[in-house]
Amino acid sequence: SQKIEQNSEALNIQEGKTATLTCNYTNYSPAYLQWYRQDPGRGPVFLLLIRENEKEKRKERLKVTFDTTLKQSLFHITASQPADSATYLCALDGDSSYKLIFGSGTRLLVRP
Amino acid sequence: DTAVSQTPKYLVTQMGNDKSIKCEQNLGHDTMYWYKQDSKKFLKIMFSYNNKELIINETVPNRFSPKSPDKAHLNLHINSLELGDSAVYFCASSQDPGQNYGYTFGSGTRLTVV
Repeated sequence: SQKIEQNSEALNIQEGKTATLTCNYTNYSPAYLQWYRQDPGRGPVFLLLIRENEKEKRKERLKVTFDTTLKQSLFHITASQPADSATYLCALDGDSSYKLIFGSGTRLLVRP
Repeated sequence: DTAVSQTPKYLVTQMGNDKSIKCEQNLGHDTMYWYKQDSKKFLKIMFSYNNKELIINETVPNRFSPKSPDKAHLNLHINSLELGDSAVYFCASSQDPGQNYGYTFGSGTRLTVV
């Protein structure tokens, strides 16, 4: 079955630096990969989607890359701010397009 | 103006009881989902519905019975609650099965079984 790993449980960085979060997957070739942000006590919020034929996607200070050879996606937040502190989840389509599989998340803390 | 709304937000109940969680979306989406987030924050798919039809049942015990009276509503009924059912349950919806715009999640229902 598909397996997703976000290999940092927590990431602690200084304000203004670039945060880089990693998502690796095995046993599957997803058609697309998504990134979500989750704040405590709230539901996940969709941020970005990248397809298998796209190398990179940007949205304001966010950048996502997708390397289907390495089976890896990187999620970057440039010029990070304390307000970016949250848990970030990656997700890929499972063996059905009606089944989004989530990683366990990386908790990002941006120190002022 | 809440896009995906779930009620109740908190639910504390005793083992063996039956309870329901309601979900409504006003986005006009065709597909709705139930996810369970356990104490380790791992989000796991339970059910997917498209236009009121069950598409995915991810090996959930049959004590859990979803019901979709129309495509804007997806309710979750749980019979004979067990301690292990304690978790946060999220409802979500998507325009397509999520290939373009992602999912919109509700704010969750924290279920505590004592």
